[in-house]
Amino acid sequence: GAVVSQHPSRVICKSGTSVKIECRSLDFQATTMFWYRQFPKQSLMLMATSNEGSKATYEQGVEKDKFLINHASLTLSTLTVTSAHPEDSSFYICSARDRTGNHEQYFGPGTRLTVT
Amino acid sequence: QKEVEQNSGPLSVPEGAIASLNCTYSDRGSQSFFWYRQYSGKSPELIMSIYSNGDKEDGRFTAQLNKASQYVSLLIRDSQPSDSATYLCAVEVNDMRFGAGTRLTVKP
Repeated sequence: GAVVSQHPSRVICKSGTSVKIECRSLDFQATTMFWYRQFPKQSLMLMATSNEGSKATYEQGVEKDKFLINHASLTLSTLTVTSAHPEDSSFYICSARDRTGNHEQYFGPGTRLTVT
Repeated sequence: QKEVEQNSGPLSVPEGAIASLNCTYSDRGSQSFFWYRQYSGKSPELIMSIYSNGDKEDGRFTAQLNKASQYVSLLIRDSQPSDSATYLCAVEVNDMRFGAGTRLTVKP
């Protein structure tokens, strides 16, 4: 099956700093990538949809100036959490959709962010 | 009404039994339906996709779709302890919407 990687898998940062998370589709090209956040014992929450070469579309309530998304190529999207605060601590997961038109989304392994 | 609804569980079945997971959705325009499995602390893993009415079987898993009733289900035959996880139903119209998940426990 299709493989999506994320880096880093875990990160601890201090309040006020920024953190960048990378999401890569390893064996397919992804026209669309998605960023989710999941708090403990809760469901996935879609944060934004990222299309290659265009601006990301953010879900209602997600601050686009705080969560910067760049989709520079068909295999790479990045999420930068700017001026992180403890309430941003969460499990961030990306997923990617194959450009061949298959509607399936493949998830990365996730990044656990802890802001101290 | 939530876009995708699932019983949160927990659903507990004995090893070897059939586990039945259910999901309803609100948008009649939905065309693509998926079941993901998520182990604690891990990201979701796609286990089944279904696009047309009826049943789709893959090993011990069977997905069932009834668009008229806006209902999709997942059956797991011969349940194993390793099947213990949260199962997420996902429905796509323009983008993917997930249910809250059903926590399944298979007891040895």
